[in-house]
Amino acid sequence: DGGITQSPKYLFRKEGQNVTLSCEQNLNHDAMYWYRQDPGQGLRLIYYSQIVNDFQKGDIAEGYSVSREKKESFPLTVTSAQKNPTAFYLCASTTTARARAFFGQGTRLTVV
Amino acid sequence: AQSVAQPEDQVNVAEGNPLTVKCTYSVSGNPYLFWYVQYPNRGRQFLLKYITGDNLVKGSYGFEADFNKSQTSFHLKKPSALVSDSALYFCAVRDEEDSSYKLIFGSGTRLLVRP
Repeated sequence: DGGITQSPKYLFRKEGQNVTLSCEQNLNHDAMYWYRQDPGQGLRLIYYSQIVNDFQKGDIAEGYSVSREKKESFPLTVTSAQKNPTAFYLCASTTTARARAFFGQGTRLTVV
Repeated sequence: AQSVAQPEDQVNVAEGNPLTVKCTYSVSGNPYLFWYVQYPNRGRQFLLKYITGDNLVKGSYGFEADFNKSQTSFHLKKPSALVSDSALYFCAVRDEEDSSYKLIFGSGTRLLVRP
């Protein structure tokens, strides 16, 4: 989908380090999401935000943190407390609860 | 809390035959239901959604989905499969009763269409 950008595409991190994944959208969407995709497990919701300065935990929030200081941006920090951080991370956004989600291209994080 | 299940990891079908990819859901209120497809080396693409109205929803690339409230299902269908339909398919749900925008995805079903 156009309009939602994740960076970087590939990221390597040493064990014990925090790392922040970027997600920016120019679609004027209120809601933004972070998902994690592991082989055979589909998309699991980490955090989501309905509006600026507000966010909620998803199903697997432990070891992650987010902020939503601007409507366009929803960065995800993978902390050293996340026990198994190597995964593919997807950001998404939407306008209303009835609308489809738009996805970024994803960031593949590898802990070395 | 809402949840969604895709009971089949993989579906195999011959080209030209009809295909069905299954999805069942659980919500407190009325569901908002979505299907997405992920092709190899490409991003996720939206196929169709059910919000209200007719139970049979038509979407992109000839796909359609059948909303069945009594069976809490939203199966994806296509009358005649193409080899190019081979991809990973995801079902997703929001709960109308939940005032948040929480969007939950199923585990995905890999569709393999053989020539």
